[in-house]
Amino acid sequence: EAGVAQSPRYKIIEKRQSVAFWCNPISGHATLYWYQQILGQGPKLLIQFQNNGVVDDSQLPKDRFSAERLKGVDSTLKIQPAKLEDSAVYLCASSLESIEAFFGQGTRLTVV
Amino acid sequence: KQEVTQIPAALSVPEGENLVLNCSFTDSAIYNLQWFRQDPGKGLTSLLLIQSSQREQTSGRLNASLDKSSGRSTLYIAASQPGDSATYLCAVSFNKFYFGSGTKLNVKP
Repeated sequence: EAGVAQSPRYKIIEKRQSVAFWCNPISGHATLYWYQQILGQGPKLLIQFQNNGVVDDSQLPKDRFSAERLKGVDSTLKIQPAKLEDSAVYLCASSLESIEAFFGQGTRLTVV
Repeated sequence: KQEVTQIPAALSVPEGENLVLNCSFTDSAIYNLQWFRQDPGKGLTSLLLIQSSQREQTSGRLNASLDKSSGRSTLYIAASQPGDSATYLCAVSFNKFYFGSGTKLNVKP
């Protein structure tokens, strides 16, 4: 069984630029999560999808972050414009009925 | 709001020691508890899942217990090895997954 796929693995951008991350969840997993993990901290939920609908985006900075999950499968997370404090690892996870979470390798973003 | 705390934040032990990592949570209304391992620069690897009806799970040298009423879980690692060096995270689930900040483990040869 293929795991959660994320790309790119690394990204370096200048502040005020835009960036997009892509995630392909495990086949059949209806729930998809995007987490932000700042160095030395635990992952923080940004947004949760159930199929192609948003369940929770209360922690998503909506003035600069956006996410979509078209057709209930792949998802993209975008930041525009990026700030220095957005430097973090962005993790995508999927689950079947919120029982067990499976994570991708993450995208390490550095904003300079 | 669910708060998850992990103690200690960091731990350094000599190879061969048995050790215990602690995880506490404030709201006992959870579905499951999951322990993860994270190597530097990598994603999270699931180690053990304890469903709400269970009290413990074992995998090889790892044993995790769950006491929902007291809001606590422990991860026991037997006969630690240098390859166990990593950050260990616990997460409780109730529609979404809430994480602690992790315990950074260093096992010295």
